[in-house]
Amino acid sequence: GAGVSQSPSNKVTEKGKDVELRCDPISGHTALYWYRQSLGQGLEFLIYFQGNSAPDKSGLPSDRFSAERTGGSVSTLTIQRTQQEDSAVYLCASSLRQGEGGNTIYFGEGSWLTVV
Amino acid sequence: SQKIEQNSEALNIQEGKTATLTCNYTNYSPAYLQWYRQDPGRGPVFLLLIRENEKEKRKERLKVTFDTTLKQSLFHITASQPADSATYLCALRSGSARQLTFGSGTQLTVLP
Repeated sequence: GAGVSQSPSNKVTEKGKDVELRCDPISGHTALYWYRQSLGQGLEFLIYFQGNSAPDKSGLPSDRFSAERTGGSVSTLTIQRTQQEDSAVYLCASSLRQGEGGNTIYFGEGSWLTVV
Repeated sequence: SQKIEQNSEALNIQEGKTATLTCNYTNYSPAYLQWYRQDPGRGPVFLLLIRENEKEKRKERLKVTFDTTLKQSLFHITASQPADSATYLCALRSGSARQLTFGSGTQLTVLP
């Protein structure tokens, strides 16, 4: 597809379970971001991948959160032992390499996670 | 500490009027600032980018200004329409930071 694709679009999980959220960026985009948005709140940066460089994990809220990006394309965000406060929309975005196009980023529609 | 503040959580205006949204920042030296639109249940969509050496940028009914002395950006929608109703987010990237940092957004409602 032409845009950033995320799956699942909705996920309800029980507290304590692990979840995986997938992001397929725009073809040719080397930069990939994960953000989190709680209800009525702004976007909270989680992690950034750029090509083969080491990811910037500075926004991950705890060691229960991890992400990987395989082959410089698809990314998976994993949340282990989910807690109710993890309930949010998880937004993936991609862009051309930093510095090109002013680093405009293109968002997917998000994965809505509800922990019950 | 670094902050990005958008002037109000909600703004209601009458159709046809100009909407003005404010984004203030502290302890940043942004290379550029961006504005995004977010509709309920959707991801943000890029609207405009303005660089630190630009005072103003226009796109159709949209205008953005950037005052690095005041540390402020204004986002204007002229001849507003109900379809402009959405949440508008400002975002900036400062210096060596690799990610965009977003404000919490202003929810604009244009009343018919």
